[in-house]
Amino acid sequence: EDKVVQSPLSLVVHEGDTVTLNCSYEVTNFRSLLWYKQEKKAPTFLFMLTSSGIEKKSGRLSSILDKKELFSILNITATQTGDSAIYLCAVEGSQGNLIFGKGTKLSVKP
Amino acid sequence: SAVISQKPSRDICQRGTSLTIQCQVDSQVTMMFWYRQQPGQSLTLIATANQGSEATYESGFVIDKFPISRPNLTFSTLTVSNMSPEDSSIYLCSVADKNIQYFGAGTRLSVL
Repeated sequence: EDKVVQSPLSLVVHEGDTVTLNCSYEVTNFRSLLWYKQEKKAPTFLFMLTSSGIEKKSGRLSSILDKKELFSILNITATQTGDSAIYLCAVEGSQGNLIFGKGTKLSVKP
Repeated sequence: SAVISQKPSRDICQRGTSLTIQCQVDSQVTMMFWYRQQPGQSLTLIATANQGSEATYESGFVIDKFPISRPNLTFSTLTVSNMSPEDSSIYLCSVADKNIQYFGAGTRLSVL
């Protein structure tokens, strides 16, 4: 059975801290791994990763994929209160469907 | 990226009634997806809707409970039928654009 596991499930940090969120997966016919940020209802797209070892970066956020070890990490540096959200990892299978992890709830305190 | 409009944004419904959720996209897309997110849980795919064919449902979801229409390449509806409190969730539609799925704003449904 395909599955995506995220850790930790929740995390509380202070502004300025750096955080690393983890995502491991077991998916048949892996096509890509995506990270989303969910603040209210709609997940907003952050990154899509398809190749191992290539870092995707956007401002203070970065992500990398290891297809051999079947995991990805999402790093956020110099966290701000606006980074508080649930971060979802999803893996695309061969049918184009996404299998989501349970998410990591990040709380950034001032 | 595609712009997705979903409505209603929220609703409170009585047990036994049905609610239809609409999803409109600003461009033509082949596949549209419907997800459910129960309180405190992650997203679970309900079905994939292709224009001109019946929707493909995931295990645990059936057409009688969640009928889907896909009349054209820019629009789809999901109906939650004969609702019970267990159907209280966020329902989200999404579309794939260049292999990335983008989501509508979601519908927060509460069933009393």
